[in-house]
Amino acid sequence: EPEVTQTPSHQVTQMGQEVILRCVPISNHLYFYWYRQILGQKVEFLVSFYNNEISEKSEIFDDQFSVERPDGSNFTLKIRSTKLEDSAMYFCASRKGPLSYEQYFGPGTRLTVT
Amino acid sequence: GENVEQHPSTLSVQEGDSAVIKCTYSDSASNYFPWYKQELGKRPQLIIDIRSNVGEKKDQRIAVTLNKTAKHFSLHITETQPEDSAVYFCAAAGGSYIPTFGRGTSLIVHP
Repeated sequence: EPEVTQTPSHQVTQMGQEVILRCVPISNHLYFYWYRQILGQKVEFLVSFYNNEISEKSEIFDDQFSVERPDGSNFTLKIRSTKLEDSAMYFCASRKGPLSYEQYFGPGTRLTVT
Repeated sequence: GENVEQHPSTLSVQEGDSAVIKCTYSDSASNYFPWYKQELGKRPQLIIDIRSNVGEKKDQRIAVTLNKTAKHFSLHITETQPEDSAVYFCAAAGGSYIPTFGRGTSLIVHP
């Protein structure tokens, strides 16, 4: 069964550095998402992406964040200048189409900012 | 925006007992209610979901009920097993298809 994949599984970076988190959604899915989960807390929506543009974003997704679908398979989240409070698990998810509600999550990237 | 409250935060049961997790939501436009199971360090996995046109849905030992009038929905796990131990998240979504998650329930099933 196809799954969403994410790389790297763990990223350690210094405060102020840029990081790019990578995701490969399920191949026939059209809608892509990034979520964040701070340790021990709930999953929080960051951004949704469809047809090569952002369709919705939360207040967490400020100017430090950007997303891109550089080719037909990858979906990336960039944080330009990381802060300590960006330390969290970042999940990518994808959804098949306009009539499908189900979102399928990747295994996550644990980002540690020191 | 939508607000989802979930309780209890921790639930400890003996193997074979039933477990019930309850959630409430605030936005009457929400019409999709998924439940995710998250084992330690793993991805959230969709275990069951319900749409607003249905009051109950069952899949083997797992069932979900929805009361749209009262804006609450519940997850029921019967005959719990140690492998059911995980954090369970409820969520609610509307026309944007973006789920708002509850804070999670840590279910511990003691052998």
